[in-house]
Amino acid sequence: DGGITQSPKYLFRKEGQNVTLSCEQNLNHDAMYWYRQDPGQGLRLIYYSQIVNDFQKGDIAEGYSVSREKKESFPLTVTSAQKNPTAFYLCASSIAASFVNEQFFGPGTRLTVL
Amino acid sequence: GEDVEQSLFLSVREGDSSVINCTYTDSSSTYLYWYKQEPGAGLQLLTYIFSNMDMKQDQRLTVLLNKKDKHLSLRIADTQTGDSAIYFCAERMEYGNKLVFGAGTILRVKS
Repeated sequence: DGGITQSPKYLFRKEGQNVTLSCEQNLNHDAMYWYRQDPGQGLRLIYYSQIVNDFQKGDIAEGYSVSREKKESFPLTVTSAQKNPTAFYLCASSIAASFVNEQFFGPGTRLTVL
Repeated sequence: GEDVEQSLFLSVREGDSSVINCTYTDSSSTYLYWYKQEPGAGLQLLTYIFSNMDMKQDQRLTVLLNKKDKHLSLRIADTQTGDSAIYFCAERMEYGNKLVFGAGTILRVKS
C-alpha cells in the first residue's frame, strides 16, 4: 500500500528538550511539507522540500529544523528555541511538477510539551 | 497578501444540503481546494477547481468559484452524519507548490 506515515501518533516531551518527528512516504513524491495545526488557526507551513538535499522555510520556521537526505524521508526537529511547541503536526507530500499539486497528508503527530 | 477566511462552524440536519464558504485575497491563485479532516486524522483532498472555471460537480459535491469576488463555496448535497468533519479551503499561489489554508469550518450533522 502506498502512503505517508508519521510516528509516533502522540509524543510527550519536557520543556527544553529537542524532539524529532518522523515522516516517511512510499509514493515516490519529490516534494514534502511540514505543517503545524492549532485550534482555530488552520494549517501553517513550517518547512517544505521540493527535492532531496534541498528545503525552504515556510511561514513559521523559527525554532524548527529539517533534513532531506532521502527522497522518502523528511524528519522535523522541534528545538528548545520553539516557544510554543505543543500542537498537532502534519506531514504531506506531492508530485513536484504537477499542475494540480494534490498534497497527500499523513495521520499527524500530536506533540505535548510538559 | 495571502489570506484565506472561512466561517468556523456550520450545523445542518441529516439529508439537508450544506454550504461552506471561503474567501481568499490573492487574485493570482491558480487552483483552489477543499480538504476534509476527520477527528485526529490528516487531511484528505475532496475536490479542487482551476481558477478559470466557475463550477465543478463531483457526485454530492458542488464547488462554485466567483473569481471577481474571490469567493469559493462547497455544497454537499444530502448531508450524512459521516460528513461531520472539519473542511479546509486552500489556495495555490501562482508560482510554486505552496498552499495557503483557511482556519477550517467545523461541520456538524445532526441526525
